[in-house]
Amino acid sequence: DGGITQSPKYLFRKEGQNVTLSCEQNLNHDAMYWYRQDPGQGLRLIYYSQIVNDFQKGDIAEGYSVSREKKESFPLTVTSAQKNPTAFYLCASGTGNYNEQFFGPGTRLTVL
Amino acid sequence: KNEVEQSPQNLTAQEGEFITINCSYSVGISALHWLQQHPGGGIVSLFMLSSGKKKHGRLIATINIQEKHSSLHITASHPRDSAVYICAVEVNDMRFGAGTRLTVKP
Repeated sequence: DGGITQSPKYLFRKEGQNVTLSCEQNLNHDAMYWYRQDPGQGLRLIYYSQIVNDFQKGDIAEGYSVSREKKESFPLTVTSAQKNPTAFYLCASGTGNYNEQFFGPGTRLTVL
Repeated sequence: KNEVEQSPQNLTAQEGEFITINCSYSVGISALHWLQQHPGGGIVSLFMLSSGKKKHGRLIATINIQEKHSSLHITASHPRDSAVYICAVEVNDMRFGAGTRLTVKP
């Protein structure tokens, strides 16, 4: 089945540790996106990539890093520099230019 | 002030009621999206609109570009419609509303 997957669904980490969230898609989409969702707020863009080996910062990139070595994969690393990492993280993919995006199931990260 | 405002923030309805969720935005857009987020967190795209009206089953979405306003209607609501509904607009990137949490009681 075609789709976009994120793993794990729930993730717990100690403060000060880096953690990497996985996002994989088999939709042959060029563009991939990472969003953060906090209670009572709209989704905010962390990073996006329009093509392999290229990515751009979104509105809240500080404390995060990404890579796009393969078209199918766009992992997000939450570093210890991110001051409030506890959130729900959503990955999306699309054909580009912010047309219809397909969202993964999300990863809920809790930093203890 | 957010660029995308949704109302109401929370909505509780009885099964069968007609539901309206509103979205207002303050910027010029190329398209508007309505998304549905289920309790597990996954998001699905319901509609993409640039003008007029679209219908899919019991869901209807309308947009008025001049007034910078869109509405999502649910007819004959059902408990399985309970979810967070998110309005998003395409500008140079995607801007999201905070969502409307809908609970439909049997």
